[in-house]
Amino acid sequence: GAGVSQSPSNKVTEKGKDVELRCDPISGHTALYWYRQSLGQGLEFLIYFQGNSAPDKSGLPSDRFSAERTGGSVSTLTIQRTQQEDSAVYLCASSLAGGARTGTEAFFGQGTRLTVV
Amino acid sequence: AQSVTQLDSQVPVFEEAPVELRCNYSSSVSVYLFWYVQYPNQGLQLLLKYLSGSTLVKGINGFEAEFNKSQTSFHLRKPSVHISDTAEYFCACGGGTALIFGKGTTLSVSS
Repeated sequence: GAGVSQSPSNKVTEKGKDVELRCDPISGHTALYWYRQSLGQGLEFLIYFQGNSAPDKSGLPSDRFSAERTGGSVSTLTIQRTQQEDSAVYLCASSLAGGARTGTEAFFGQGTRLTVV
Repeated sequence: AQSVTQLDSQVPVFEEAPVELRCNYSSSVSVYLFWYVQYPNQGLQLLLKYLSGSTLVKGINGFEAEFNKSQTSFHLRKPSVHISDTAEYFCACGGGTALIFGKGTTLSVSS
């Protein structure tokens, strides 16, 4: 497809388990973002990848969160030892080179709704 | 560092009334400003953006926003809303590493 694809769309996991969330950006987009959307909290920035540069991890809330981007394309957000407060919608977005630095539009996926029980 | 404040968490209006959703930003670098909309059970989509030039920006669905540097604001307006405008609206600020979002404003349009 032409848009940003995220999988799974829904994920229910038990507290303490690890989860992996996947994002396929739009082809040719070198900038990729992960955000967390919680009710009443807006979109919380997690991590930003730009090409081969070192990612900006300044938004990751704890060391249980990590993300990779392989081959400059697909990205995986991993949450280890999930907690109930991790329950949220995790959104991925991609944009052309430059991303936020140059005002390039970010295109969002539909998100993964994570529920930790 | 950048930050975005959306001053109203909820805005209820009647159909065909005008609406303004307020957004203030803080940034130490040049800014690019965006409004995104999220309709119920849908993803975010871009309404409009300000990069440079004219401070009045027109977007989709009849929305417009005005960049005011002295007041560090980027308020979103529509002269006459429709039921279909019911959605969550997010203001965002770029120019740094990431796109920073406000907490959102829920616009509820009723008849």
